[in-house]
Amino acid sequence: QQQVKQSPQSLIVQKGGISIINCAYENTAFDYFPWYQQFPGKGPALLIAIRPDVSEKKEGRFTISFNKSAKQFSLHIMDSQPGDSATYFCAASANTGRRALTFGSGTRLQVQP
Amino acid sequence: SAVISQKPSRDICQRGTSLTIQCQVDSQVTMMFWYRQQPGQSLTLIATANQGSEATYESGFVIDKFPISRPNLTFSTLTVSNMSPEDSSIYLCSVDSVPEAFFGQGTRLTVV
Repeated sequence: QQQVKQSPQSLIVQKGGISIINCAYENTAFDYFPWYQQFPGKGPALLIAIRPDVSEKKEGRFTISFNKSAKQFSLHIMDSQPGDSATYFCAASANTGRRALTFGSGTRLQVQP
Repeated sequence: SAVISQKPSRDICQRGTSLTIQCQVDSQVTMMFWYRQQPGQSLTLIATANQGSEATYESGFVIDKFPISRPNLTFSTLTVSNMSPEDSSIYLCSVDSVPEAFFGQGTRLTVV
Protein backbone atom coordinates (compact mmCIF):
# COMPACT_ATOMS: atom_id res chain seq x y z
CA GLN A 1 0.00 0.00 0.00
CA GLN A 2 3.01 2.24 0.39
CA GLN A 3 4.17 1.76 -3.19
CA VAL A 4 4.33 4.42 -5.84
CA LYS A 5 4.65 2.99 -9.33
CA GLN A 6 6.43 5.10 -11.93
CA SER A 7 6.71 4.72 -15.70
CA PRO A 8 8.46 4.71 -18.05
CA GLN A 9 11.84 3.65 -16.72
CA SER A 10 13.58 5.65 -19.43
CA LEU A 11 12.47 8.21 -21.98
CA ILE A 12 14.10 9.77 -25.01
CA VAL A 13 12.57 12.98 -26.34
CA GLN A 14 13.62 15.34 -29.07
CA LYS A 15 14.41 18.93 -28.18
CA GLY A 16 11.19 20.94 -28.15
CA GLY A 17 9.02 17.91 -27.54
CA ILE A 18 6.83 17.02 -24.56
CA SER A 19 8.10 14.63 -21.92
CA ILE A 20 5.46 12.77 -19.95
CA ILE A 21 6.13 10.67 -16.86
CA ASN A 22 3.38 8.85 -15.02
CA CYS A 23 2.92 7.67 -11.44
CA ALA A 24 0.23 5.70 -9.64
CA TYR A 25 -0.35 5.12 -5.94
CA GLU A 26 -2.54 2.97 -3.71
CA ASN A 27 -2.50 4.66 -0.33
CA THR A 28 -5.50 6.99 -0.13
CA ALA A 29 -3.91 8.76 2.85
CA PHE A 30 -1.30 10.31 0.56
CA ASP A 31 -1.95 14.02 0.22
CA TYR A 32 1.32 15.47 -1.05
CA PHE A 33 2.78 14.57 -4.44
CA PRO A 34 6.14 16.12 -5.34
CA TRP A 35 8.40 15.57 -8.29
CA TYR A 36 12.16 15.64 -7.91
CA GLN A 37 14.86 16.14 -10.50
CA GLN A 38 18.23 14.56 -9.91
CA PHE A 39 21.42 15.14 -11.86
CA PRO A 40 24.34 12.70 -11.52
CA GLY A 41 26.25 13.25 -8.29
CA LYS A 42 23.62 15.56 -6.85
CA GLY A 43 20.82 15.21 -4.36
CA PRO A 44 17.19 15.31 -5.55
CA ALA A 45 15.92 18.84 -6.13
CA LEU A 46 12.26 19.64 -5.65
CA LEU A 47 10.80 20.50 -9.02
CA ILE A 48 7.08 20.93 -8.46
CA ALA A 49 4.48 19.53 -6.08
CA ILE A 50 0.72 19.22 -5.90
CA ARG A 51 -1.91 18.49 -3.26
CA PRO A 52 -5.18 16.69 -4.08
CA ASP A 53 -7.38 19.76 -3.83
CA VAL A 54 -6.37 20.75 -7.38
CA SER A 55 -6.21 18.73 -10.59
CA GLU A 56 -3.37 20.60 -12.23
CA LYS A 57 -0.44 22.79 -11.30
CA LYS A 58 1.84 24.57 -13.71
CA GLU A 59 5.19 26.18 -13.08
CA GLY A 60 6.94 27.38 -16.19
CA ARG A 61 7.44 24.45 -18.54
CA PHE A 62 6.53 21.90 -15.86
CA THR A 63 2.96 20.77 -15.21
CA ILE A 64 1.58 18.20 -12.79
CA SER A 65 -1.74 16.61 -13.66
CA PHE A 66 -3.53 14.87 -10.81
CA ASN A 67 -6.42 12.40 -11.02
CA LYS A 68 -7.63 11.63 -7.52
CA SER A 69 -10.23 9.05 -8.51
CA ALA A 70 -7.71 7.09 -10.56
CA LYS A 71 -4.96 7.64 -7.98
CA GLN A 72 -2.60 8.79 -10.68
CA PHE A 73 -0.47 11.83 -11.30
CA SER A 74 1.88 12.80 -14.08
CA LEU A 75 4.62 15.26 -14.92
CA HIS A 76 4.61 17.04 -18.26
CA ILE A 77 7.70 18.88 -19.43
CA MET A 78 6.83 21.17 -22.30
CA ASP A 79 9.42 22.31 -24.85
CA SER A 80 11.93 19.81 -23.45
CA GLN A 81 15.54 20.96 -23.52
CA PRO A 82 18.85 19.04 -23.37
CA GLY A 83 19.40 20.63 -19.94
CA ASP A 84 16.33 18.74 -18.72
CA SER A 85 18.19 15.47 -19.18
CA ALA A 86 18.18 13.97 -15.69
CA THR A 87 16.45 11.37 -13.58
CA TYR A 88 12.99 12.28 -12.36
CA PHE A 89 11.35 10.79 -9.30
CA CYS A 90 7.74 11.07 -8.28
CA ALA A 91 6.95 10.72 -4.61
CA ALA A 92 4.05 10.82 -2.19
CA SER A 93 3.50 11.32 1.51
CA ALA A 94 0.72 11.68 4.02
CA ASN A 95 0.22 14.60 6.35
CA THR A 96 -0.35 12.32 9.30
CA GLY A 97 1.37 9.23 10.61
CA ARG A 98 4.32 8.27 8.49
CA ARG A 99 5.30 11.64 7.03
CA ALA A 100 8.27 10.41 5.01
CA LEU A 101 8.18 10.34 1.24
CA THR A 102 7.61 7.15 -0.70
CA PHE A 103 9.43 7.35 -4.01
CA GLY A 104 8.74 5.95 -7.42
CA SER A 105 11.46 3.99 -9.17
CA GLY A 106 12.63 6.92 -11.29
CA THR A 107 12.65 7.85 -14.97
CA ARG A 108 15.85 8.60 -16.82
CA LEU A 109 15.04 11.34 -19.33
CA GLN A 110 17.30 12.07 -22.25
CA VAL A 111 16.49 15.07 -24.43
CA GLN A 112 18.26 14.89 -27.76
CA PRO A 113 19.39 18.10 -29.46
CA SER B 1 12.80 26.62 1.70
CA ALA B 2 15.23 24.87 4.00
CA VAL B 3 18.95 24.70 3.23
CA ILE B 4 20.53 21.40 4.19
CA SER B 5 24.25 20.78 4.49
CA GLN B 6 25.66 17.29 4.62
CA LYS B 7 29.17 16.23 5.54
CA PRO B 8 31.16 14.55 4.16
CA SER B 9 30.06 14.85 0.54
CA ARG B 10 31.87 11.64 -0.30
CA ASP B 11 34.15 9.12 1.32
CA ILE B 12 35.93 5.89 0.58
CA CYS B 13 36.05 3.58 3.58
CA GLN B 14 37.53 0.22 4.44
CA ARG B 15 35.18 -2.64 5.17
CA GLY B 16 34.56 -3.20 8.85
CA THR B 17 34.88 0.48 9.75
CA SER B 18 32.17 3.03 10.54
CA LEU B 19 31.33 6.42 9.07
CA THR B 20 29.25 9.18 10.65
CA ILE B 21 27.38 11.50 8.33
CA GLN B 22 26.29 14.91 9.56
CA CYS B 23 23.21 16.83 8.50
CA GLN B 24 22.78 20.50 9.38
CA VAL B 25 19.64 22.51 8.59
CA ASP B 26 19.42 26.29 8.52
CA SER B 27 16.11 26.35 10.38
CA GLN B 28 14.43 24.38 13.11
CA VAL B 29 12.50 21.39 11.84
CA THR B 30 10.51 18.78 13.68
CA MET B 31 11.15 15.79 11.45
CA MET B 32 14.33 14.74 9.71
CA PHE B 33 14.67 11.71 7.50
CA TRP B 34 17.56 9.60 6.31
CA TYR B 35 17.38 7.87 2.94
CA ARG B 36 19.64 5.51 1.06
CA GLN B 37 20.02 5.52 -2.72
CA GLN B 38 21.84 2.51 -4.02
CA PRO B 39 23.60 2.86 -7.41
CA GLY B 40 21.09 3.47 -10.17
CA GLN B 41 18.15 3.00 -7.80
CA SER B 42 15.45 5.06 -6.17
CA LEU B 43 15.48 6.43 -2.64
CA THR B 44 14.61 4.19 0.27
CA LEU B 45 13.80 5.52 3.72
CA ILE B 46 16.15 4.32 6.45
CA ALA B 47 14.64 6.06 9.45
CA THR B 48 12.78 9.07 10.77
CA ALA B 49 14.54 11.15 13.42
CA ASN B 50 12.60 13.37 15.80
CA GLN B 51 14.34 15.49 18.38
CA GLY B 52 14.09 14.08 21.86
CA SER B 53 13.00 10.60 20.90
CA GLU B 54 14.45 7.42 19.46
CA ALA B 55 14.60 7.22 15.70
CA THR B 56 11.99 5.10 13.96
CA TYR B 57 13.51 2.58 11.56
CA GLU B 58 11.96 1.13 8.44
CA SER B 59 11.76 -2.56 7.76
CA GLY B 60 15.17 -3.90 6.84
CA PHE B 61 17.13 -1.26 8.73
CA VAL B 62 18.27 -1.68 12.33
CA ILE B 63 19.68 0.66 14.94
CA ASP B 64 22.85 -1.36 15.47
CA LYS B 65 23.77 -0.92 11.81
CA PHE B 66 22.50 2.65 11.35
CA PRO B 67 22.52 4.49 14.68
CA ILE B 68 21.05 7.96 14.47
CA SER B 69 21.35 10.95 16.75
CA ARG B 70 19.09 14.01 16.83
CA PRO B 71 20.42 16.29 19.57
CA ASN B 72 18.49 19.40 18.52
CA LEU B 73 16.05 20.77 15.95
CA THR B 74 18.70 21.65 13.35
CA PHE B 75 21.12 18.72 13.41
CA SER B 76 21.26 14.97 13.00
CA THR B 77 23.85 12.30 12.36
CA LEU B 78 23.65 8.89 10.73
CA THR B 79 26.36 6.32 11.35
CA VAL B 80 26.92 3.45 8.97
CA SER B 81 28.51 0.77 11.15
CA ASN B 82 30.69 -2.23 10.34
CA MET B 83 30.57 -1.37 6.66
CA SER B 84 30.61 -3.84 3.81
CA PRO B 85 30.76 -3.19 0.05
CA GLU B 86 26.94 -3.59 -0.02
CA ASP B 87 26.70 -0.35 1.96
CA SER B 88 28.15 1.59 -0.97
CA SER B 89 25.37 4.08 -1.69
CA ILE B 90 24.39 7.70 -1.52
CA TYR B 91 22.99 8.62 1.89
CA LEU B 92 20.64 11.57 1.95
CA CYS B 93 19.24 13.70 4.70
CA SER B 94 15.82 15.26 4.22
CA VAL B 95 13.64 17.60 6.21
CA ASP B 96 9.91 18.01 6.33
CA SER B 97 9.57 21.74 5.97
CA VAL B 98 5.87 22.10 5.47
CA PRO B 99 4.59 22.40 2.87
CA GLU B 100 7.60 20.98 1.05
CA ALA B 101 10.29 18.38 1.61
CA PHE B 102 13.93 19.16 0.84
CA PHE B 103 17.09 17.15 0.49
CA GLY B 104 20.74 17.67 1.15
CA GLN B 105 23.28 16.96 -1.58
CA GLY B 106 23.97 13.55 -0.17
CA THR B 107 27.02 11.61 0.96
CA ARG B 108 28.45 9.26 -1.63
CA LEU B 109 29.94 6.32 0.25
CA THR B 110 32.18 3.72 -1.34
CA VAL B 111 33.24 0.75 0.77
CA VAL B 112 36.30 -1.15 -0.39
